[in-house]
Amino acid sequence: DTAVSQTPKYLVTQMGNDKSIKCEQNLGHDTMYWYKQDSKKFLKIMFSYNNKELIINETVPNRFSPKSPDKAHLNLHINSLELGDSAVYFCASSQGQGAIGYEQYFGPGTRLTVT
Amino acid sequence: GQNIDQPTEMTATEGAIVQINCTYQTSGFNGLFWYQQHAGEAPTFLSYNVLDGLEEKGRFSSFLSRSKGYSYLLLKELQMKDSASYLCAVGGNSGYALNFGKGTSLLVTP
Repeated sequence: DTAVSQTPKYLVTQMGNDKSIKCEQNLGHDTMYWYKQDSKKFLKIMFSYNNKELIINETVPNRFSPKSPDKAHLNLHINSLELGDSAVYFCASSQGQGAIGYEQYFGPGTRLTVT
Repeated sequence: GQNIDQPTEMTATEGAIVQINCTYQTSGFNGLFWYQQHAGEAPTFLSYNVLDGLEEKGRFSSFLSRSKGYSYLLLKELQMKDSASYLCAVGGNSGYALNFGKGTSLLVTP
């Protein structure tokens, strides 16, 4: 069974479009995250949710809107896509606070290409 | 803010020992993590240090000095499958934001 799953794995779209990425975890974790990894492999936190509540929003443009319908899901919707949004987006989850000792489990990533 | 530095690339020989260093300057500190990421795959957890000293886990060990803002990951008996990117990450004030360094790409050669 996949612990953290994301769909789609690849996403190719044109500038200006709106797209969503879905994430689900079956680990029973309370906390979920979205990260962006750019072409230089730099992994940067975007959002953190705990029990469906937004905890962290790391100065991400408001074109990005996360939604957590329940503890097991954290989806990412992106409006008006730009070329600079091209990256790999990783979803992750942890049992507790993932910056204080709790291991984060990452999904396989969604490679977004904006043309 | 957070400033996390690690070498961009390293090369080592199969069977050898390699040490990957990480220095950090942060406004808050809740511990230091090391993650491994193979090309095209997701990061996976390797270690967590919150107190000074060495934590050993099989072929991998991680060291932390909080006063020096310094950590290293030590990989022994290198195997070809250890070729990957190694990410140093520091937990920030909130407890939820994990800030990563830019990663060290390790190439293990025969």
